[in-house]
Amino acid sequence: GENVEQHPSTLSVQEGDSAVIKCTYSDSASNYFPWYKQELGKRPQLIIDIRSNVGEKKDQRIAVTLNKTAKHFSLHITETQPEDSAVYFCAAAGGAQKLVFGQGTRLTINP
Amino acid sequence: SQTIHQWPATLVQPVGSPLSLECTVEGTSNPNLYWYRQAAGRGLQLLFYSVGIGQISSEVPQNLSASRPQDRQFILSSKKLLLSDSGFYLCAWGTSSETQYFGPGTRLLVL
Repeated sequence: GENVEQHPSTLSVQEGDSAVIKCTYSDSASNYFPWYKQELGKRPQLIIDIRSNVGEKKDQRIAVTLNKTAKHFSLHITETQPEDSAVYFCAAAGGAQKLVFGQGTRLTINP
Repeated sequence: SQTIHQWPATLVQPVGSPLSLECTVEGTSNPNLYWYRQAAGRGLQLLFYSVGIGQISSEVPQNLSASRPQDRQFILSSKKLLLSDSGFYLCAWGTSSETQYFGPGTRLLVL
């Protein structure tokens, strides 16, 4: 079955700098890759997703890139702000009607 | 628009007691439904998912069970709770495009 590895597990950046979180997946049939943000005590919220027919997608300060050949995808956050502090999860899906999640990255934005 | 409800929001139960958590979805028909558990500071563990009424797939053997008595209702149950059942239980609904949206969650503490 699918396996998703996420790195780093914790990430600390200065406010205004960029943050990058990386994930790799094992199943070449996977074709959908969402990213979720979970604030403390809250539910995970979908922030951006990408499908295998595109290589990059951007939404304001957030972007996701996908390399199908290498089977990895990344989340990029530019001009980080304190409210970006949260745990971020990547996931992959390949038609089995379920997502396989990475282990999560705790992002801390230092003022 | 679609909304997802979970109750109760918090629950404190003694070891060996039964459990029933409920999840309902509004504004969509025939959704895929999912139960996840999240231990403190950890990732998302898929417990059960359902693609239709009465259809339940179990991901992890355990003392929990799930049922889907109606199209937009998903129930998580246990006959006898264990200490290790403590955690944050999240219900999610999904579309055929595999995007998933999480409910507000139930925080369960087993003492």
